[in-house]
Amino acid sequence: GAGVSQSPSNKVTEKGKDVELRCDPISGHTALYWYRQSLGQGLEFLIYFQGNSAPDKSGLPSDRFSAERTGGSVSTLTIQRTQQEDSAVYLCASSLDSYYGYTFGSGTRLTVV
Amino acid sequence: KNQVEQSPQSLIILEGKNCTLQCNYTVSPFSNLRWYKQDTGRGPVSLTIMTFSENTKSNGRYTATLDADTKQSSLHITASQLSDSASYICVVSAVDSSYKLIFGSGTRLLVRP
Repeated sequence: GAGVSQSPSNKVTEKGKDVELRCDPISGHTALYWYRQSLGQGLEFLIYFQGNSAPDKSGLPSDRFSAERTGGSVSTLTIQRTQQEDSAVYLCASSLDSYYGYTFGSGTRLTVV
Repeated sequence: KNQVEQSPQSLIILEGKNCTLQCNYTVSPFSNLRWYKQDTGRGPVSLTIMTFSENTKSNGRYTATLDADTKQSSLHITASQLSDSASYICVVSAVDSSYKLIFGSGTRLLVRP
């Protein structure tokens, strides 16, 4: 597609449930990133995928968070046993490499009640 | 600790007026600085990107400046339009981890008719 697509755009879930967030990057972009934007805060790095290299997971806040990227394209961010502090907008971005302009998706707004 | 701070937090101006947004950073070793515009409910969109050797870059009515010695940047918006109402985010990356963008909290700009 023309841009980075994320789904769902909004997700309300009960505390303790698992959620999956999906990101479909721009075709041909080898780099894919997940960021989290909490209310009133700057975006926080979560994870970075580059081609077939091992991902940099250093930004994941706890072992309840995991992400995978299948076939070098679509990525899924999974949050297990969600907590209220997980409520945020989760943004995905892709780029040709880490220097050039990133293209962000519109994000998934996650609300844990 | 690598940080990016922006001021003011919010700003209201009249349509047609100019404004300047500020960004201070402590990221080291510095790689590049980007300004993004984020409309409500959308992902950030890149306005400018500058490396150490660049001290000014324009994109239409947007002009960014960079002083790498004092670690300061500004974004000047000329002849503001209602569509400029958005959050403007300063983003810095370090040489040793260029894909881990470090985001400021943004300046929320409201342009009134």
